[in-house]
Amino acid sequence: QITLKESGPTLVNPKQTLTLTCTFSGFSLTTGGVAVGWIRQPPGQALEWLATVYGNENKLYSPSLRSRLTITKDASKNQVVLTMTNLDPVDTATYFCAHRRTSNFDFWGQGTLVTVSS
Amino acid sequence: DIVMTQSPVSLPVTPGEPASISCMSSQSLLHNNGYNFLEWYLQKPGQSPQVLIYLGSNRASGVPDRFSGSTSGTHFTLNISRVEAEDVGVYYCMQSLQIPWTFGQGTKVEIK
Repeated sequence: QITLKESGPTLVNPKQTLTLTCTFSGFSLTTGGVAVGWIRQPPGQALEWLATVYGNENKLYSPSLRSRLTITKDASKNQVVLTMTNLDPVDTATYFCAHRRTSNFDFWGQGTLVTVSS
Repeated sequence: DIVMTQSPVSLPVTPGEPASISCMSSQSLLHNNGYNFLEWYLQKPGQSPQVLIYLGSNRASGVPDRFSGSTSGTHFTLNISRVEAEDVGVYYCMQSLQIPWTFGQGTKVEIK
C-alpha cells in the first residue's frame, strides 16, 4: 500500500525559505521508472506542477520557478524534500507530493497548506 | 509552455446521463513512442486529486469503466457514460510531454 504525507511549516514570512518533506511508504525510490513529484494549488485555483525527482536521480523542474526550487531524495529515509527560496504571498498554496509511475501521478498525499505572510 | 484549455468551466449534470469534458493542447502531445502524454485527474471536494486516465486513453487502476478518454489530434475528451453523484468535483487534464508539465484550468462538475 503506497502512502505519502507532506510536512513542513504552515506559516512562512515573505522572503524566507520553505522546506517541505514528503515521507512515503510502500515503494522504493531507487529505480528510474518511479518518481515523486510536487504539485501546488493556490486557494480556489488550479493545480501547478513544480518538480519531479526520479529514482535514478533525474530531476525535472518548472522553468519559471527553477531558480528558487531544489528537489532532493533520500531513499534510505523514504523522503523527498522540496526547498523553495524567497517566498512571496503568491506562493500561498496547498502543496502536494505524489508518486508517479507509468506516466501518471497515481498516489497523492493529503497536501499541506502553506501561508506566506508577515 | 504547452497551454491546456478545458471546456466547459462548469458542467451541471444529471445522474444517469452521459457527460463529456474537453481539453485542447496548444501543441501535439504525441510522443515518438506512439502515446499521447495526457492525463485526467478528478479532485473531489476537500480531497487530493486522483488519477482517472493516463496516456490519453488508459483507465487507471480502480477507476470505474464509465470513465473513458479519447483523442483527436490535440483535442482530448473525458467521457462519463452515466454520471453518478460521487463523480462531482473538479476535473483537470495535464500534459507531461514537455517541461513544464501543465494542467488545464479545471472543469467543475456538479449535480443539477
